[in-house]
Amino acid sequence: LAKTTQPISMDSYEGQEVNITCSHNNIATNDYITWYQQFPSQGPRFIIQGYKTKVTNEVASLFIPADRKSSTLSLPRVSLSDTAVYYCLDTNAGKSTFGDGTTLTVKP
Amino acid sequence: ETGVTQSPTHLIKTRGQQVTLRCSSQSGHNTVSWYQQALGQGPQFIFQYYREEENGRGNFPPRFSGLQFPNYSSELNVNALELDDSALYLCASSLAGVLTETQYFGPGTRLTVL
Repeated sequence: LAKTTQPISMDSYEGQEVNITCSHNNIATNDYITWYQQFPSQGPRFIIQGYKTKVTNEVASLFIPADRKSSTLSLPRVSLSDTAVYYCLDTNAGKSTFGDGTTLTVKP
Repeated sequence: ETGVTQSPTHLIKTRGQQVTLRCSSQSGHNTVSWYQQALGQGPQFIFQYYREEENGRGNFPPRFSGLQFPNYSSELNVNALELDDSALYLCASSLAGVLTETQYFGPGTRLTVL
């Protein structure tokens, strides 16, 4: 499974919507796109997963275009507690390769 | 429903020693994966166990070995510890058999090798 490409860091302010985009240049037909959140000294936490179009849950939305070469994680109205590292992955039956993630810093 | 647990939380060893880390998978899960996470980097896949058999391995030397038990709990063993083995070791459990299989991670064990 190939590593994805995402920005190293992003800054935002409380109450704003944050969009983090990821490139999936080597995604395979059977791969799903999965996003995780990780706080310091904790394990990654599953946020959302999708195959194509749009998926929404109680914490985020995931937008995947038809060619599936990219994905965008949307976090509505972020708070200080959303400061974390966010990873996008191509996943297939539980196997995945983590990149170095995007460090999101939310400022007051 | 019980989440993934790992023990110990922290561990300090010296070069050349051996270490065993333990993981209890989430209730209903039959697959366990182990990852090594160095400071400032993403988790690196070590290996995965499914029904007590190794089911995939990353680019780690043989001194990294594991076990999975009938209750799906797991151990990671590292022999001949090196300074570069200092890292956060993460265990993740999942239910195998579906493409949408999602891994649920434990809190990790922080290993320091002096």
